Amino acid sequence: GDSVTQMEGPVTLSEEAFLTINCTYTATGYPSLFWYVQYPGEGLQLLLKATKADDKGSNKGFEATYRKETTSFHLEKGSVQVSDSAVYFCALTSDSGYSTLTFGKGTMLLVSP
Amino acid sequence: GAVVSQHPSWVICKSGTSVKIECRSLDFQATTMFWYRQFPKQSLMLMATSNEGSKATYEQGVEKDKFLINHASLTLSTLTVTSAHPEDSSFYICSAILVLGNEQFFGPGTRLTVL
Repeated sequence: GDSVTQMEGPVTLSEEAFLTINCTYTATGYPSLFWYVQYPGEGLQLLLKATKADDKGSNKGFEATYRKETTSFHLEKGSVQVSDSAVYFCALTSDSGYSTLTFGKGTMLLVSP
Repeated sequence: GAVVSQHPSWVICKSGTSVKIECRSLDFQATTMFWYRQFPKQSLMLMATSNEGSKATYEQGVEKDKFLINHASLTLSTLTVTSAHPEDSSFYICSAILVLGNEQFFGPGTRLTVL
């Protein structure tokens, strides 16, 4: 079955540091890939997505590139802010829609001033 | 963006009692809602998919008689944990979509603790 593996946290960084959160997946066919973010006390929000190989999703300074050859979708940001502190979830769906999401365990990011 | 709320945000109950969790889409009508369960340091696991006016579709291994789901209107779905036991303690999260295939909008979750 489908699965998503992401690095365990927490990831602790100082403000303006470079961020990478690794995500790899196992899926049949050609999945769509997502990163969701959950701020404290709030619901999950879609951060970015990529629907085919070599696509790059980007939003709010975050980027992730769909790498089919390495089955990866690593999340990166060049300069993190304190406000980026949250839990980040990598996810995929193998069907054409969003109806069945498979999530990773989530990675907590803590950014200090 | 679309907002989904859950109530309560946390609940503590005694073993053997039933607990109802509400999921509401506040500014849109949701044809489909999903219920997830998340254990500490674990993934979100899909429990069931509910469509307004019809029976929910449960994932393999989820007891439908224990986790009763009602999607009575286009803005409200409820999850009732019946005869709760300590092993049912978990974080329950709902999501809603407008039309199948579109983005899921997630609620903030409900922390259930069964004593």
